Amino acid sequence: GENVEQHPSTLSVQEGDSAVIKCTYSDSASNYFPWYKQELGKRPQLIIDIRSNVGEKKDQRIAVTLNKTAKHFSLHITETQPEDSAVYFCAATPWGNNRLAFGKGNQVVVIP
Amino acid sequence: NAGVMQNPRHLVRRRGQEARLRCSPMKGHSHVYWYRQLPEEGLKFMVYLQKENIIDESGMPKERFSAEFPKEGPSILRIQQVVRGDSAAYFCASSPLDRGPYEQYFGPGTRLTVT
Repeated sequence: GENVEQHPSTLSVQEGDSAVIKCTYSDSASNYFPWYKQELGKRPQLIIDIRSNVGEKKDQRIAVTLNKTAKHFSLHITETQPEDSAVYFCAATPWGNNRLAFGKGNQVVVIP
Repeated sequence: NAGVMQNPRHLVRRRGQEARLRCSPMKGHSHVYWYRQLPEEGLKFMVYLQKENIIDESGMPKERFSAEFPKEGPSILRIQQVVRGDSAAYFCASSPLDRGPYEQYFGPGTRLTVT
């Protein structure tokens, strides 16, 4: 099955700087890659997703890039703010599959 | 439009008891997924259901765990004879009919503690 790994496990950034989190996946058939943000004790929230027919997608301060050849995709957060502090999970799923395979998460800490 | 609802939010059970977790999907969503999250771990897929059908239960432990999504009412994840290792947060997610497994929206979770 699909195996998703995230790096780094913890990332500290100064407020206003950019944060980048990278995920790698194993199944070349995967074609859907969402990112979820989970604050402590809260539900995972879908913040952005990308399909394999595009290489980049942007939504305000958040962007995701996909490299299908290298089988990795990254989340970019610009102009970070304290409320961006959370655990971010990436996931992947192949076409026709029913489940999301999640990475273990990245703790992002934005230092005011 | 209410989001995905789960109850109870917290559940404490003694070893050997049964746990019932409920999930009401978002309005208009007909796909329900259950995931388990252990402390400091990612979410692990358990089961995928549509109304009155279990589509994929490959992530469910073979014993003691079952799930249903009846024609009327919420989806239920049932854990019989709970053990300490069942302590975790259980999340359900739902997605719209025309999105398949994509665009899954999560509920607030049920935190199960087995004493």
